[in-house]
Parts: sequence; structure tokens; C-alpha cells
Amino acid sequence: DAKTTQPPSMDCAEGRAANLPCNHSTISGNEYVYWYRQIHSQGPQYIIHGLKNNETNEMASLIITEDRKSSTLILPHATLRDTAVYYCIVPRNQFYFGTGTSLTVIP
Amino acid sequence: GAVVSQHPSRVICKSGTSVKIECRSLDFQATTMFWYRQFPKQSLMLMATSNEGSKATYEQGVEKDKFLINHASLTLSTLTVTSAHPEDSSFYICSAAGLRSYNEQFFGPGTRLTVL
Repeated sequence: DAKTTQPPSMDCAEGRAANLPCNHSTISGNEYVYWYRQIHSQGPQYIIHGLKNNETNEMASLIITEDRKSSTLILPHATLRDTAVYYCIVPRNQFYFGTGTSLTVIP
Repeated sequence: GAVVSQHPSRVICKSGTSVKIECRSLDFQATTMFWYRQFPKQSLMLMATSNEGSKATYEQGVEKDKFLINHASLTLSTLTVTSAHPEDSSFYICSAAGLRSYNEQFFGPGTRLTVL
């Protein structure tokens, strides 16, 4: 995997947007950025992935910078159920999970 | 999205016994399955990659004779922890890829193994 760097933890107020950054400065031209999250004691859940254009689905939006060296996952209206560890991954045939960002949504 | 199941969800066994964990892709054929291990408060660690009908590729430091992986079909992979010891107690998670791309993995719910 290309190395990714994420802040270890973040808080977000319920109902507000959660913006989770990821740095992947060594990404190559044809490598995708994937985002997963893991709620305590469960398997990781796929959220979204992208190459260079911004992407949106029913769960989140993914904003990738023009130079592709960083990205931001946006949860538009965070709920308590979004409390989880969020992983940004740039796979090269396998997934190597970093430490991720532990997001806590506060009532 | 695609559904991946694991069985059992929890298992407790005595030291020295073997435990088999099944991973199934329920609604797609998985060309590749992966096995991870996660210790408390740590991230997932890739143990091995397996392709249907061929031998698994193990990550450095993972004992292939202790963690036997069989990938007999495009929907089933098994991990057998042989001669389990308390230090093997962990959360074991499988994933399956191949629905849309090799890099898009769908994860099972995990199996909590406790070795007494």
C-alpha cells in the first residue's frame, strides 16, 4: 500500500458534518483511495472509493485534491452511529490498515 | 453491497485444540479472500491472501503450519488455527474481493477466538 497518514482521533457534534483528512503523498497515478470504517467489534465496512474525481454516495462524500496527495471523507450529518474508526487505504493488491482515525460523535 | 459471512462468530477452546473458521461470500464469487487478525486496541493485520484452488500467500511472520488456509471454492475459505494457545486469542476477520475489482474488499463480521 501507499503509506497513508490520518489524525488519531476526532470529535464531531451530532448533526454536523464530519471531515476526516488523509494524507497519501506517495500515491501513484492509477491507484485508488478507499475508505472503510470499523465499528467496535465488527468487521470493516466499505464507505467509498475514488481515483481523482470527487465521489458521493448515500453514506459519504470523498474529496480528492488535484495533486491526489490527500483526500477528505465527509459525513454530511454525523449521527451517534457514525462513531467508529475510519481507515483511509491506498491498496497495492493487499490492504494494509494503518491506525485510522477514531471518530467520536458527541450528542 | 456484497455480503460476507463468518462462522462461528465466537469460539472458546482449550489450549492445544484446533479451531476452524469459515468465511463465505454469499452473493458473489470471490476470486480472492483475505484473512486478518486484530488484537485489542490495535489495527487489522493482514495474515494471508488466498486465491481459489491455489496455496495461500502468508505475510511475513505468520506461521503457515499453524494457520492453515483452504480456499476450495469461489465462495468459501477456511482458516484453521492448529494447536491453539492463549496468545492466539484474537479477533479474526476475513474479506472477499472480486465483485467489481481486486482491490475492493468486503469484510465479514469477524470471529472472536478465546483460547483458555
